[in-house]
Amino acid sequence: SQQGEEDPQALSIQEGENATMNCSYKTSINNLQWYRQNSGRGLVHLILIRSNEREKHSGRLRVTLDTSKKSSSLLITASRAADTASYFCATDGGGSYIPTFGRGTSLIVHP
Amino acid sequence: DAGVIQSPRHEVTEMGQEVTLRCKPISGHNSLFWYRQTMMRGLELLIYFNNNVPIDDSGMPEDRFSAKMPNASFSTLKIQPSEPRDSAVYFCASNYGGAVFNEQYFGPGTRLTVT
Repeated sequence: SQQGEEDPQALSIQEGENATMNCSYKTSINNLQWYRQNSGRGLVHLILIRSNEREKHSGRLRVTLDTSKKSSSLLITASRAADTASYFCATDGGGSYIPTFGRGTSLIVHP
Repeated sequence: DAGVIQSPRHEVTEMGQEVTLRCKPISGHNSLFWYRQTMMRGLELLIYFNNNVPIDDSGMPEDRFSAKMPNASFSTLKIQPSEPRDSAVYFCASNYGGAVFNEQYFGPGTRLTVT
């Protein structure tokens, strides 16, 4: 079974709106990562948050981590059509250093 | 750096044929991962190498699948014989890691179609 599960499975918004995606996981982790995948391409790393961090920012991206709830969220502010992609969270399952990816959230940003 | 290089980008083959996918990781990276992505099962880790040694191959679906990493700059994933259910996009990724789950760099993938 998947370690990380994203929610929602699909999200459709207008350009300029914020997009929030959530990730839940099952076992303890050392860190959690978010990736983006454009259609027909490989995954691209967006941001890594360690288990002792609660929030991290990178440009228009904001990631939060709540280890007590075993969940993380990815917020994309002021979305653009170019943000249209699938977004995945990945965890290491508590020190196994073997990554496990969720099924992803498909984000569509309408211009 | 050119990034992770995979070849071929597309492969169409008939059931029963042997398929070999190739990957060149980023220079200096010591870990290499093979993934398979399908709509039904999402992104699955097939095998993970560290310093050219297979560390975890529990994701390899069957004996028809095999992977090698003869040196730090090259890896292959072989399917013999191939079946229609092997149709998927296969990704190779690399990073510098081992004891830590670090950022992974993915190749563009090989889209495999088995008819």
